[in-house]
Amino acid sequence: GAVVSQHPSRVICKSGTSVKIECRSLDFQATTMFWYRQFPKKSLMLMATSNEGSKATYEQGVEKDKFLINHASLTLSTLTVTSAHPEDSSFYICSATDRTGPTNEQYFGPGTRLTVT
Amino acid sequence: GEDVEQSLFLSVREGDSSVINCTYTDSSSTYLYWYKQEPGAGLQLLTYIFSNMDMKQDQRLTVLLNKKDKHLSLRIADTQTGDSAIYFCAVTDSGTYKYIFGTGTRLKVLA
Repeated sequence: GAVVSQHPSRVICKSGTSVKIECRSLDFQATTMFWYRQFPKKSLMLMATSNEGSKATYEQGVEKDKFLINHASLTLSTLTVTSAHPEDSSFYICSATDRTGPTNEQYFGPGTRLTVT
Repeated sequence: GEDVEQSLFLSVREGDSSVINCTYTDSSSTYLYWYKQEPGAGLQLLTYIFSNMDMKQDQRLTVLLNKKDKHLSLRIADTQTGDSAIYFCAVTDSGTYKYIFGTGTRLKVLA
């Protein structure tokens, strides 16, 4: 149980275009989803927290107009990188929690590698 | 804010034990976690420990928690080449569901 998928796993886009990454909880309802960014050989940096049906809460320094997050249902959150630039190239990982278990465990997706040319 | 630190690298021989250390600054986390990340993949939960415990054993994994020193460790017994990966400790941010991840320890297991 507790599987989280991401799509696509890899994407290459041209500078100036937008790209959407999907995060789905496959066998549970995710009241909260998180979006992380990971630079090569670095730790995960939390970008934003997304609660179903409400606006995402962005971490300090993360541009909300550039990284649009939508959590339209209890099983789907999307991250759209708008007007992508090469410096947005990174590994993006989502996680989800149903907040019903005692440990508040987050279940992680497999990640999406974005390359902006 | 919370600061979570780990040593960057650890190299061990197959069959030996590995000990990965983690220190943190905020002691309010109810649970503390250990995750494993293989190359190009997401994070896999290995184990967690409740903050009222000082030790938890789960097959080859032993977690030790020293709340006084704010120190968490993960011991892997009989380390195998398949254990080569990056290991992250994580604590929860005070009063929220957010994780604060450690800097990650790259474990290399030599055959």
